[in-house]
Amino acid sequence: AQSVTQLGSHVSVSEGALVLLRCNYSSSVPPYLFWYVQYPNQGLQLLLKYTTGATLVKGINGFEAEFKKSETSFHLTKPSAHMSDAAEYFCAVSDRAAGGTSYGKLTFGQGTILTVHP
Amino acid sequence: KAGVTQTPRYLIKTRGQQVTLSCSPISGHRSVSWYQQTPGQGLQFLFEYFSETQRNKGNFPGRFSGRQFSNSRSEMNVSTLELGDSALYLCASSPRSQPGEKLFFGSGTQLSVL
Repeated sequence: AQSVTQLGSHVSVSEGALVLLRCNYSSSVPPYLFWYVQYPNQGLQLLLKYTTGATLVKGINGFEAEFKKSETSFHLTKPSAHMSDAAEYFCAVSDRAAGGTSYGKLTFGQGTILTVHP
Repeated sequence: KAGVTQTPRYLIKTRGQQVTLSCSPISGHRSVSWYQQTPGQGLQFLFEYFSETQRNKGNFPGRFSGRQFSNSRSEMNVSTLELGDSALYLCASSPRSQPGEKLFFGSGTQLSVL
């Protein structure tokens, strides 16, 4: 079964500092990988995803993530944090095997709450 | 295009009651998934529907059920509510039902069971 681990349930950075949110997956076959963001009292919004091709993926709001198969990781970064980045971030995976039983199902990590200080 | 709409936004029920939550997907989307979000368990997959057929089901008791209508709107039902069912229930839609697809989430229904 697939699983996702997000290291650090809370991350705090200063405005303008680097944001690094860590995600590791466990799967016999590299899955599709996603980062979603959830702002207070809202649903989730896709930041970026990796399916195939270039391992460095750029997303919305200046975020990017790099798929590293050897490390089974998909860490999310942003060079300079902004106050508006304060939210909860979720790493997620879906089964790459089309036609299996997973279809569109996502398995989420536990989430990382990002706090940005002025 | 309008986004994913979930109703009601908030709901308060008592133990033993049943509840029905509604989800209207983005126009043209045929797949609807449901997730339960709690502080302790995080986001857990409930089920997914595509063209009125349940494609996948998470590890939840039979008290949790759902259905999808011909217009792709979906409902989920929880019978014999327990305190532990208190959660944010999120609905998500996508055009198809394939791995790797982007999901569009609604704002959720916050269910409180007293």
